[in-house]
Amino acid sequence: AQSVTQLGSHVSVSEGALVLLRCNYSSSVPPYLFWYVQYPNQGLQLLLKYTTGATLVKGINGFEAEFKKSETSFHLTKPSAHMSDAAEYFCAVSVPGANNLFFGTGTRLTVIP
Amino acid sequence: KAGVTQTPRYLIKTRGQQVTLSCSPISGHRSVSWYQQTPGQGLQFLFEYFSETQRNKGNFPGRFSGRQFSNSRSEMNVSTLELGDSALYLCASSFSTSGNSYEQYFGPGTRLTVT
Repeated sequence: AQSVTQLGSHVSVSEGALVLLRCNYSSSVPPYLFWYVQYPNQGLQLLLKYTTGATLVKGINGFEAEFKKSETSFHLTKPSAHMSDAAEYFCAVSVPGANNLFFGTGTRLTVIP
Repeated sequence: KAGVTQTPRYLIKTRGQQVTLSCSPISGHRSVSWYQQTPGQGLQFLFEYFSETQRNKGNFPGRFSGRQFSNSRSEMNVSTLELGDSALYLCASSFSTSGNSYEQYFGPGTRLTVT
């Protein structure tokens, strides 16, 4: 079975500060990992994904995440927060052969001017 | 390319009624998945359709059903609505042919309120 844990339901950072959103997963097979962002009253937008290959993946809007198998983690980072980054972020996992995503409970990011 | 579209965007229904939601995937995408989002349970997978066949199913009661048409458009139906069915229902499409989950593109959702 697959599951995702996102530590911290709310994270606040100052504009220009580092953004770090934590995600740990559980999977019985090598997982596919995703980060999505959701703005108010909108659907989910894919930020980045890891399937195979390079463990450091770069996404849109300056975000990146590193797959660490030994730590079963896939934390999302951005060097410098922007006001427009304020949103809810979801980490998700799936496994090869199954086109369904298991989501974490989400982290609401607030950016303080 | 046009994105995933969902209609209607908002719905208010009464307990015991049924409801049908519609999703049009991105052109060329043959896989459509449905998710329920609630404050209490978060995002949960309902089911996936590929080439008019249900390929995968989450852990929801039989009141929740879906179908996919030959043009890949999909509908989901909820019968005998309960207050707990109030949620944002999200549709996602992907090009996935092998069943692997690569990129799923989400629509804006349908906000269902059950009174």
